[in-house]
Amino acid sequence: GAGVSQSPSNKVTEKGKDVELRCDPISGHTALYWYRQSLGQGLEFLIYFQGNSAPDKSGLPSDRFSAERTGGSVSTLTIQRTQQEDSAVYLCASSSYRGGSEQYFGPGTRLTVT
Amino acid sequence: TQLLEQSPQFLSIQEGENLTVYCNSSSVFSSLQWYRQEPGEGPVLLVTVVTGGEVKKLKRLTFQFGDARKDSSLHITAAQPGDTGLYLCAGVSGGGADGLTFGKGTHLIIQP
Repeated sequence: GAGVSQSPSNKVTEKGKDVELRCDPISGHTALYWYRQSLGQGLEFLIYFQGNSAPDKSGLPSDRFSAERTGGSVSTLTIQRTQQEDSAVYLCASSSYRGGSEQYFGPGTRLTVT
Repeated sequence: TQLLEQSPQFLSIQEGENLTVYCNSSSVFSSLQWYRQEPGEGPVLLVTVVTGGEVKKLKRLTFQFGDARKDSSLHITAAQPGDTGLYLCAGVSGGGADGLTFGKGTHLIIQP
C-alpha cells in the first residue's frame, strides 16, 4: 500500500513569501505529526493531529506557522513571511493511534529560503 | 524539556568492526524507539523497547533499554556498508504527550 507522501519534495522561496507544505498520510491513520529537521539539530516536533483537531500547538516555532487537517486525512503546514532560519526539511508522519505507535514518515519537503 | 543525548555524533569505521551508539536522558520514557534515516528519505523505525532492561535483537543489531528507562544503546556486530546511515533514538512519553522526542542522531559510515 501507499506510504506517507509529501509535496513538494523541494521548495525554494524568497524571504518574506508564504509557503504551503502538504502531507498525505497513510489511509486510515488517525494521528498525523509534523517535524522539522535542521542541519545538526535533529528532529524537532512541531504539531500533531488526532483526527482533525490539534490539541497542542505550542511546538510551532512562531505565530508565522500554522497547520490544518481536513477530513481526517490531508494536512497542510503553512509558513507565512518565511525567514532564512525556516530553511529545513519538514517531515510528516502518521500512525494508527497517538502516543507510541510506530510512526511512518514521509520523505520530507526540503525548504530553502533565500 | 526532555532531552535525548546521542553519542557519538559521527562514527566512521571499517567493514567488519563492531560499534555501539548511546542514547541518554535525565528523563524517564515509557518507551524508546530507534530509527534509521537515509539521505532524502524519512526515518524508518527499527525497534521499540518498552521494559526497563529489555534487550532486542534484529539480525546483527542489538538494542538495550536501561533499567531506569532513561537510556538505551544500539550495538552493531560486524558492520557492513549497508549499515551506513543516520541512527536516531526517540523517546515516547507516557503522559499523553504529543510527538516523539528525538536525539540529534549518530551519523554512521561503514567503509568497505
